[in-house]
Amino acid sequence: RKEVEQDPGPFNVPEGATVAFNCTYSNSASQSFFWYRQDCRKEPKLLMSVYSSGNEDGRFTAQLNRASQYISLLIRDSKLSDSATYLCVVNTMGFQKLVFGTGTRLLVSP
Amino acid sequence: EAGVTQFPSHSVIEKGQTVTLRCDPISGHDNLYWYRRVMGKEIKFLLHFVKESKQDESGMPNNRFLAERTGGTYSTLKVQPAELEDSGVYFCASSLSTGDSYEQYFGPGTRLTVT
Repeated sequence: RKEVEQDPGPFNVPEGATVAFNCTYSNSASQSFFWYRQDCRKEPKLLMSVYSSGNEDGRFTAQLNRASQYISLLIRDSKLSDSATYLCVVNTMGFQKLVFGTGTRLLVSP
Repeated sequence: EAGVTQFPSHSVIEKGQTVTLRCDPISGHDNLYWYRRVMGKEIKFLLHFVKESKQDESGMPNNRFLAERTGGTYSTLKVQPAELEDSGVYFCASSLSTGDSYEQYFGPGTRLTVT
């Protein structure tokens, strides 16, 4: 079983739609949680850290459920430029290495 | 502020040859990491430096891979001799050592093809 699991998609949505991704992690010692965005043939870029209380950055909202060991990302009012692969990433207490999911591909169409 | 830089952007070598990848972290970042993405798989951790010291090298695949960070600035990752399965994208990342959340910033990667 992978340590971080994501639905690979693709999620095809029209502009303006709201879309949500979930991710589950298996290691209960996971301490920090992130969503990265990766465009085709580019490096992962940090989208947002995920905090226990949930956090919002513009059209993006991230939530963490430690009891169920899942993380979510909600994108409101999707833009064409949101088309990318969204990577769920965790790291474990005492270690700084990041553990990546395989990513969820989002395609926003006009 | 300049981001993480990596050189070369692409490298095509034959099996058995040697390749050296370079990473320059963001200025002032003590932590430097190497990751690799093999085609069709998720990005995987290789190793972590704090300044010039190897903090965690649990992800290094085998002894054909050698990473160095002399002086605690830039880092090199040497693959010798390269095998076909070493093909992939090698990413470097860096982070500060403050706070509880070590947000890591990635370089553009080196795409390595072993033929």
